[in-house]
Formats: sequence, structure tokens, C-alpha cells
Amino acid sequence: NAGVTQTPKFRILKIGQSMTLQCTQDMNHNYMYWYRQDPGMGLKLIYYSVGAGITDKGEVPNGYNVSRSTTEDFPLRLELAAPSQTSVYFCASNADTEAFFGQGTRLTVV
Amino acid sequence: QKEVEQNSGPLSVPEGAIASLNCTYSDRVSQSFFWYRQYSGKSPELIMSIYSNGDKEDGRFTAQLNKASQYVSLLIRDSQPSDSATYLCAAGYGGSQGNLIFGKGTKLSVKP
Repeated sequence: NAGVTQTPKFRILKIGQSMTLQCTQDMNHNYMYWYRQDPGMGLKLIYYSVGAGITDKGEVPNGYNVSRSTTEDFPLRLELAAPSQTSVYFCASNADTEAFFGQGTRLTVV
Repeated sequence: QKEVEQNSGPLSVPEGAIASLNCTYSDRVSQSFFWYRQYSGKSPELIMSIYSNGDKEDGRFTAQLNKASQYVSLLIRDSQPSDSATYLCAAGYGGSQGNLIFGKGTKLSVKP
């Protein structure tokens, strides 16, 4: 089973560039999330979605946007990359209990 | 501000010993609590969840919850070198487990 798939695994962006981190899940989960993890830190919630067409801000949403047009996909958009967005990004999904995480995207902004 | 506090460690225990990991949370609204294990460079994986006061055991792992003290712990019995990882404590808010506030994690090292 694929579970939660994130692409790309690694990316280097220049300041001011934009990009989309892709996340797709094949478990028919209603809930999907984006977290970022800075070195030596825990996970911080950026955005989450409780179903197709519904998104909401998490703890650290500034500089990011999301959309949820289908149950499967939950892309995260960075419009004007800044060095402060250098981090590892995790997408996750769940139904009622266990949350499943993607393998992460390591993003560096230079 | 909702916060989850963990001792960052590292916590070092010999193989076969009991490892004790602790966590406190700031908001009494939290009703669900989780321990995730994260190996270096990998994504977190759920190892225990607990919702009620008391102990919950699963194999070598025991989670303990004390809501009055706002305290959660994880005990790992018969620790193995393969248990060496960072353990993230998380408190859940809202209607979904995914609305989680994570602690910074405790790095555990089990020495052979």
C-alpha cells in the first residue's frame, strides 16, 4: 500500500521563488495535515483539512497556502520562499485514530 | 498558548533496562495523547495512544496518563538498541487526532 506519498523528497529554492509540495493519500482519509519540523524541534502544524473543499490554518500558516480539491490530494504552496522556510515538511492523514505520515520533503531556501 | 514540554535528553540507558520518557502539557482541554517514534531522517510513527487516566500497556511499551497533573509518560521495558530514536509526545485538540501539538522530542540512546 502506498499510504501517504510526498514529492519531491529534496528541493533547493532561491529566495523569492515559489513551489508546490505535493501530497497524496490512497486510504480515503478525510483529514489531512501539513507539518514542518525544524532541526531539533517538534512538529508544527501549518494547515489542515477535514475534507475536500475545506481547509483551515494551523499554528504557523504565514507564507503558505493550501487547497483540497479532492479527498486524495493536499498540496502545499510556497509563494515567495524565504530562508525561514528551510525545514522538513511532513504531510499526514488520518480517519479516526492513527495518523499516517509521508516520508517528508527536505526544503532548503538559499 | 498550548504547549507540550519534553526533556530533550539525550537519555541514555543500557540494553535491557527500563527507559522512562516524560511529557507535560499546558492545556486541560486536551483529551487525547500520543507517543510517536522518529528515527533520524525518517517520518514519525505512532507507537502508543492514551485517552483515559491510568496505564495502557502494549508489549514492551506502557503509556501513563495523569490528567490532574497534566502529565504523560512512556515506559519502555527491556530496552533494545533498536529503540534508539527520538520520541515525540503529542496532545490532541479538536475532533481529530491530527490537530496535534507536538513536544520537541526526547532523544533516547540504548547502549548495547
